[in-house]
Amino acid sequence: NAGVTQTPKFRILKIGQSMTLQCAQDMNHNYMYWYRQDPGMGLKLIYYSVGAGITDKGEVPNGYNVSRSTTEDFPLRLELAAPSQTSVYFCASSYSGTGDYEQYFGPGTRLTVT
Amino acid sequence: KQEVTQIPAALSVPEGENLVLNCSFTDSAIYNLQWFRQDPGKGLTSLLLIQSSQREQTSGRLNASLDKSSGRSTLYIAASQPGDSATYLCAVSLSNYGQNFVFGPGTRLSVLP
Repeated sequence: NAGVTQTPKFRILKIGQSMTLQCAQDMNHNYMYWYRQDPGMGLKLIYYSVGAGITDKGEVPNGYNVSRSTTEDFPLRLELAAPSQTSVYFCASSYSGTGDYEQYFGPGTRLTVT
Repeated sequence: KQEVTQIPAALSVPEGENLVLNCSFTDSAIYNLQWFRQDPGKGLTSLLLIQSSQREQTSGRLNASLDKSSGRSTLYIAASQPGDSATYLCAVSLSNYGQNFVFGPGTRLSVLP
């Protein structure tokens, strides 16, 4: 299993541009998450999904959108990028069937908005 | 609002020492607690997960304990090695629906040869 994969690894955006961060998992996990990590801070939840077709907001959803058309994929869309969105973005997944929701993380996407 | 803190923010120890990392949370109504390791420029690797009904979990040289009533968890690393150098984060799950996690800021550990 590849686990959780994310593309791209790095990206520089200009203010006002848009982009999509890709996330995929091959573990048949029903739950998927997007977090952002700012320097010296813990991770903050942006959006999550409990299954295909179901998404909901986390703590910091403003400026982002998500979709979940398949179990495997959970892309994060940034519209009108702002410098405040400079961060490292992590995708994670977990499985509800075991009851513990242990999270597995991707390697991250480092985004700079200038 | 649940807040998670980790003390110390950074720790430097000589190789071979046993050490303890601390995690505190303000609301004891958690579903589980997970400890992660993060290497520079990398994602998070799950180390141990403790359900709210459990008191501790062990994996190799790692032992994590949970005291819900006092809002504390500790990660004990025995016989530390330079390869243990990384940032260690704890996260608490607030519900049994698996959608609400709060992370601490992490402890940056350096194990010196």
